Amino acid sequence: SQTIHQWPATLVQPVGSPLSLECTVEGTSNPNLYWYRQAAGRGLQLLFYSVGIGQISSEVPQNLSASRPQDRQFILSSKKLLLSDSGFYLCAWSVSPETQYFGPGTRLLVL
Amino acid sequence: AQSVTQPDIHITVSEGASLELRCNYSYGATPYLFWYVQSPGQGLQLLLKYFSGDTLVQGIKGFEAEFKRSQSSFNLRKPSVHWSDAAEYFCAVGAREYGNKLVFGAGTILRVKS
Repeated sequence: SQTIHQWPATLVQPVGSPLSLECTVEGTSNPNLYWYRQAAGRGLQLLFYSVGIGQISSEVPQNLSASRPQDRQFILSSKKLLLSDSGFYLCAWSVSPETQYFGPGTRLLVL
Repeated sequence: AQSVTQPDIHITVSEGASLELRCNYSYGATPYLFWYVQSPGQGLQLLLKYFSGDTLVQGIKGFEAEFKRSQSSFNLRKPSVHWSDAAEYFCAVGAREYGNKLVFGAGTILRVKS
């Protein structure tokens, strides 16, 4: 069966520091991969998605970037964190285009 | 533009009572429809989905949803709520014409009182 991992689970970082969040999927090949952000009390905002290695689509202009160095690995990065980057970051995968399955999430607090 | 509306931000029901969570969408294509549930601090779990066929779909944990094209709705129901159902529920819509992306509603927080 397929599983999706995210780490770290929780992260506290100072403003201006770099960020790297990792997402890996097991049990499937060539998945579509997604990064979402969920701010407190708000819904899900799609940040990036990828249909293959090295293929990244950005949904909103921001301080973040994404990379997909391997088929089942998706990384969310920032060179300098802002206070507004705080939130709950969710990774998701799909093989059919429509049904997405989510990871456990990473809670990021920028101070 | 595609949009999903969940009119109720919070809903409180008594344990054992029936539940209906509303979802309306605006989509320029034949939609795929989903309901997800999120417990505090957790990821989203897929409850059920509708692609085509029978408009009443059954999901996990005793949930069901009905697609009503004429009303552009996909409401989630459960005949008897359990305290463990307390969580946040998200409706989401996609379509083949719009590629690999889903549009999510803002969510409805369900509280269950004993």
